[in-house]
Amino acid sequence: EIVLTQSPGTLSLSPGERATLSCRASQSVSNNYLAWYQQKCGQAPRLLIYDASTRATGIADRFSGSGSGTDFTLTISSLEPEDFAVYYCQNYGTLPRPFGQGTKVEIK
Amino acid sequence: EVQLLESGGGLVQPGGSLRLSCAVSGFTFTSSGMSWVRQAPGKGLQWVSGISGSGGDTFYADSVKGRFTISRDNSKNTLYLQINSLRVDDTAMYYCAKDNGWLPASWGQGTLVTVSS
Repeated sequence: EIVLTQSPGTLSLSPGERATLSCRASQSVSNNYLAWYQQKCGQAPRLLIYDASTRATGIADRFSGSGSGTDFTLTISSLEPEDFAVYYCQNYGTLPRPFGQGTKVEIK
Repeated sequence: EVQLLESGGGLVQPGGSLRLSCAVSGFTFTSSGMSWVRQAPGKGLQWVSGISGSGGDTFYADSVKGRFTISRDNSKNTLYLQINSLRVDDTAMYYCAKDNGWLPASWGQGTLVTVSS
């Protein structure tokens, strides 16, 4: 069973700064079936990126995903106030479709 | 517009049962696999169960296998999750999601299940 480990646990940044979030898999992720979600307090998760690097419909181009195999990255090029949230990665290609534990991006 | 509306959550004693529902609109329900994902208070996301568009294939996380049953009524555009033998650690917000392939792409707002005596 694949385990996803996200780092850091918390990222403290200011608006306008670049955010780099990591997701490392314990085994290679087949077909790059790796997604990123954003969850704001009290809200449902929202899909940002799938297939490791494809933005979902309506997602701003400041969000980008990269990586393959076991190492994946979500980059937010310039943080907007609405981007402060928790971000999760997920390997959806294999059961039990595991999620990482999340990275909180907070205002510094 | 894709819409998913969960219901059926509530407070239940350990050992009890609940049936969660997810009413959907805005897409062809029979063509979409569906998932349930839960989130314990203050914790991360856990995929719980999935079902194919026809309902013929179902999948479960090991932690719920034998206690949870996913099903769907395609004539009513509704997804269900029957939860039996509830435990305190089943306390969570339960989200339904529309799958694109295997990907939970669109999510409802969730229904809260609290297991407590």
